[in-house]
Amino acid sequence: GQQLNQSPQSMFIQEGEDVSMNCTSSSIFNTWLWYKQDPGEGPVLLIALYKAGELTSNGRLTAQFGITRKDSFLNISASIPSDVGIYFCAGFYSGGGADGLTFGKGTHLIIQP
Amino acid sequence: DGGITQSPKYLFRKEGQNVTLSCEQNLNHDAMYWYRQDPGQGLRLIYYSQIVNDFQKGDIAEGYSVSREKKESFPLTVTSAQKNPTAFYLCASSKGLAVDTDTQYFGPGTRLTVL
Repeated sequence: GQQLNQSPQSMFIQEGEDVSMNCTSSSIFNTWLWYKQDPGEGPVLLIALYKAGELTSNGRLTAQFGITRKDSFLNISASIPSDVGIYFCAGFYSGGGADGLTFGKGTHLIIQP
Repeated sequence: DGGITQSPKYLFRKEGQNVTLSCEQNLNHDAMYWYRQDPGQGLRLIYYSQIVNDFQKGDIAEGYSVSREKKESFPLTVTSAQKNPTAFYLCASSKGLAVDTDTQYFGPGTRLTVL
């Protein structure tokens, strides 16, 4: 399958700081998805992006679908304790079937008091 | 309440036993998926199904089997042939596999521990 590079692998930040993470691919994707996973739970969809250049917000979260269609970023503004968790990006290329959805390895967000 | 349910939340089995994990969805989604999650490795696709009575192998299908007799249900059996079955198993579903219907929604997961 395709490979997604997600970075950083982990982040240690102070409450109130802004967070930025990104995913890059050597292949073009038609859809970018961002999920958050709490410990012992399934991933929950945060933002879905369907068009190159698209910038979408969901509360304090903002994500963009890169113009080249090979990257996406997720920003979290003014982090709070409940933002702790693992954030996954996923990219989908049409014609790939179920194998067309590829996940990054996750960014583990840790908020220090 | 629409969603995906997986049961049980935690499962313990002895080595050499087959075990079946349940996944049910009432979202009227056509496609369903099974992933395995190990620490630091993200999600790996085991099997997926686009329609009833049809399913396809994913990247790591060896040692697993599935069935799709009903649209709402996609159970996964971890067989004794799976060499390292202890993991967190996630079920997901989507409306379809086209670019505008492929967004996957996940269940809460089942943590399987083989003793």
